[in-house]
Amino acid sequence: QQQVKQSPQSLIVQKGGISIINCAYENTAFDYFPWYQQFPGKGPALLIAIRPDVSEKKEGRFTISFNKSAKQFSLHIMDSQPGDSATYFCAANNGQNFVFGPGTRLSVLP
Amino acid sequence: EAQVTQNPRYLITVTGKKLTVTCSQNMNHEYMSWYRQDPGLGLRQIYYSMNVEVTDKGDVPEGYKVSRKEKRNFPLILESPSPNQTSLYFCASSFHRGDTQYFGPGTRLTVL
Repeated sequence: QQQVKQSPQSLIVQKGGISIINCAYENTAFDYFPWYQQFPGKGPALLIAIRPDVSEKKEGRFTISFNKSAKQFSLHIMDSQPGDSATYFCAANNGQNFVFGPGTRLSVLP
Repeated sequence: EAQVTQNPRYLITVTGKKLTVTCSQNMNHEYMSWYRQDPGLGLRQIYYSMNVEVTDKGDVPEGYKVSRKEKRNFPLILESPSPNQTSLYFCASSFHRGDTQYFGPGTRLTVL
């Protein structure tokens, strides 16, 4: 019940395209859902986060869509750029500990 | 500069030789945490601490110990390392337990 599932495992997108990464959870106690971006050799860095009282949050080219009833949330990257090539992790927090998805490796082709 | 620092960044050791990975943050954060990152498994939480002298197990605590004697420091201790603890380790901190976490640069540990 603590698990967060994430798909796809890897994603290749052309420059200017839309990248979509999906996550799903079981534990209804989760109340904070961040997305992290990780470049090779670096620690993860927060990209955008959402709480379940809203269904969508947008920051620049990055949007989180949240479906509380389906227990699913997704990251949309609009106008994807080669500099967005990284590994993306979704996560969920229940007020105490964090559970991360296994990650999605995104490659944006120039 | 606000940051989380870890030392060492790279470590190669042998089975059974006790080691400590240090973690320090200068942001006065209450919440600190240790993760290990393995291919295909993402980040798995080892231990976390919600404040000084308060620590709790994460998802994969076996073989690890932590302590939180000061707010800024949260060392990870491997009393008797084994090869299955070869991994990339990250320390993270946040103001409170449900807030944005800031990650350190990582420590790559190899246990032979």
